[in-house]
Amino acid sequence: NAGVTQTPKFQVLKTGQSMTLQCAQDMNHEYMSWYRQDPGMGLRLIHYSVGAGITDQGEVPNGYNVSRSTTEDFPLRLLSAAPSQTSVYFCASSHGTGPAEQYFGPGTRLTVT
Amino acid sequence: AQTVTQSQPEMSVQEAETVTLSCTYDTSESDYYLFWYKQPPSRQMILVIRQEAYKQQNATENRFSVNFQKAAKSFSLKISDSQLGDAAMYFCAYRSGGSARQLTFGSGTQLTVLP
Repeated sequence: NAGVTQTPKFQVLKTGQSMTLQCAQDMNHEYMSWYRQDPGMGLRLIHYSVGAGITDQGEVPNGYNVSRSTTEDFPLRLLSAAPSQTSVYFCASSHGTGPAEQYFGPGTRLTVT
Repeated sequence: AQTVTQSQPEMSVQEAETVTLSCTYDTSESDYYLFWYKQPPSRQMILVIRQEAYKQQNATENRFSVNFQKAAKSFSLKISDSQLGDAAMYFCAYRSGGSARQLTFGSGTQLTVLP
């Protein structure tokens, strides 16, 4: 199993550009999430999904869109990038909630200039 | 909303010694779960240990153990016989038992292990 994969690993965008961060998992997990990690602030939840076709907002959803058309994929879209979106982005998946372990991807470092 | 606080931005420990990382949380829920994650320089998030709030017994995983004080809303991580490979950022995290929402993280503690 590849686990949780994310592409790209690094990306530089100009303000106003759009892009999609890709996330895929091969563990048949229902739950998938996107987090951003900023220095001194830990990880914050952007959006999450409890299954194909179902998504919901997390703590910091503004400026980001998600969709979940399949169990495996959960892309994160930045519609119009802003410097405040410079961060490291992590995708995670889990089989269920509660005590279930979340498996994290390797992260994408995004810089918006 | 739940909050998780890690008041020690940095800690250091001598190799083979014991270190305790602190975490407090705020919640009005009775059903929840607590986790410690490790993030080495590779950036990969690795689960270290988890605790169910309804369990009074403290969780243990090899050299890692927790001191879970439910009334005080405290969840500290003890690392025994520290090794160089334990050097990493450690995050405390909370998950509600009654919601599909995912993890709420603290701001992290950077642990340095001195040879």
